[in-house]
Amino acid sequence: AQSVTQLDSHVSVSEGTPVLLRCNYSSSYSPSLFWYVQHPNKGLQLLLKYTSAATLVKGINGFEAEFKKSETSFHLTKPSAHMSDAAEYFCVVTGPNFGNEKLTFGTGTRLTIIP
Amino acid sequence: DTEVTQTPKHLVMGMTNKKSLKCEQHMGHRAMYWYKQKAKKPPELMFVYSYEKLSINESVPSRFSPECPNSSLLNLHLHALQPEDSALYLCASSQDPYGSSTNEKLFFGSGTQLSVL
Repeated sequence: AQSVTQLDSHVSVSEGTPVLLRCNYSSSYSPSLFWYVQHPNKGLQLLLKYTSAATLVKGINGFEAEFKKSETSFHLTKPSAHMSDAAEYFCVVTGPNFGNEKLTFGTGTRLTIIP
Repeated sequence: DTEVTQTPKHLVMGMTNKKSLKCEQHMGHRAMYWYKQKAKKPPELMFVYSYEKLSINESVPSRFSPECPNSSLLNLHLHALQPEDSALYLCASSQDPYGSSTNEKLFFGSGTQLSVL
């Protein structure tokens, strides 16, 4: 069994300041973790993925996330926010058998960028 | 080509209509998925096709009928829908339905925004 909790439903930051979106997970297995981004009325785009190779994962558009097993966390960060980062972000966890298990989505964090 | 293409982008239908949503991918992926997403909510899995066979049905009402005519195409047939079925319907694909999570990831289409009147 697995679950994921996104700790903030809404985050607002000023353009050019750091972004932190928080995610905690629970899993019976060694998990695979993803961050997806969804712009309004669009599909989901993969930002990055953790699969035990390296605890610090770099993704697209300057985002990165660090897997911390001791804290069961997988927080998403970006050093400097851009207006185009405004979107909904989903943290996702799955077990070892990708196709035969559902992905478990967090409830999402809406990121607003203040000009 | 790394795209999942969904048509139509928008659909308005009455409760007595029959319509179909279409999804296509040419990445050679052998797993295809339908998700339903209500506003301000995460996507919810509806169906999974593995090697063109239905492998997961998340207790979806029979007014939704999936079809996988070939490895590149996935349809969702709609009949006698209710207003509460209004949502964004997302199609996704992944390479190997039995692959390890180490190698797999979902590619999503842009979705069909469905309104049922």
